[in-house]
Amino acid sequence: DAMVIQNPRYQVTQFGKPVTLSCSQTLNHNVMYWYQQKSSQAPKLLFHYYDKDFNNEADTPDNFQSRRPNTSFCFLDIRSPGLGDAAMYLCATSTTVGEQYFGPGTRLTVT
Amino acid sequence: GENVEQHPSTLSVQEGDSAVIKCTYSDSASNYFPWYKQELGKGPQLIIDIRSNVGEKKDQRIAVTLNKTAKHFSLHITETQPEDSAVYFCAASADSSASKIIFGSGTRLSIRP
Repeated sequence: DAMVIQNPRYQVTQFGKPVTLSCSQTLNHNVMYWYQQKSSQAPKLLFHYYDKDFNNEADTPDNFQSRRPNTSFCFLDIRSPGLGDAAMYLCATSTTVGEQYFGPGTRLTVT
Repeated sequence: GENVEQHPSTLSVQEGDSAVIKCTYSDSASNYFPWYKQELGKGPQLIIDIRSNVGEKKDQRIAVTLNKTAKHFSLHITETQPEDSAVYFCAASADSSASKIIFGSGTRLSIRP
């Protein structure tokens, strides 16, 4: 049973062309996270939502935005992708004090 | 802020032998220490975690130990099997309100047949 679902699994976009990645969850968790993971590196937290409250990491570029229209869905918008934004993007969810459950990720390629 | 260091970066062990991965953390307020396994092309999966009120936790072939005084925690995998081959990440969290975790740099574990 899929719990954290990410679509698409693979996304190719052109340099500078806006792209949106989506995440949905069936766990009814109140916290949702977006991570960026580059090859052979640890996941890096971009931002998280605690219910509807948005929390941005200090070093997350303005090029990255997020929306959470309801409990189940969260979107990552990259306004003007650069070559350096090519990475795996991971969505995760948790309860307030519980473990994080990760989705399978979306691998973004920028051409 | 919290900093988590993980060693070794790569580890190769013979099938059936044990594997040990070690991490240190800097923030004495950290109270939650999860370990994640990430297989190629997949998201990280939690395999075991420990909170600061216990020193050791075991789940079948996997165990984690925590030394709060030294700010060390370790993952032990016994009787390793080929399916244990993956990248393992330790992490630490001091943010009990939102489960915000800081990852170590990862260990690529290879099991030799």
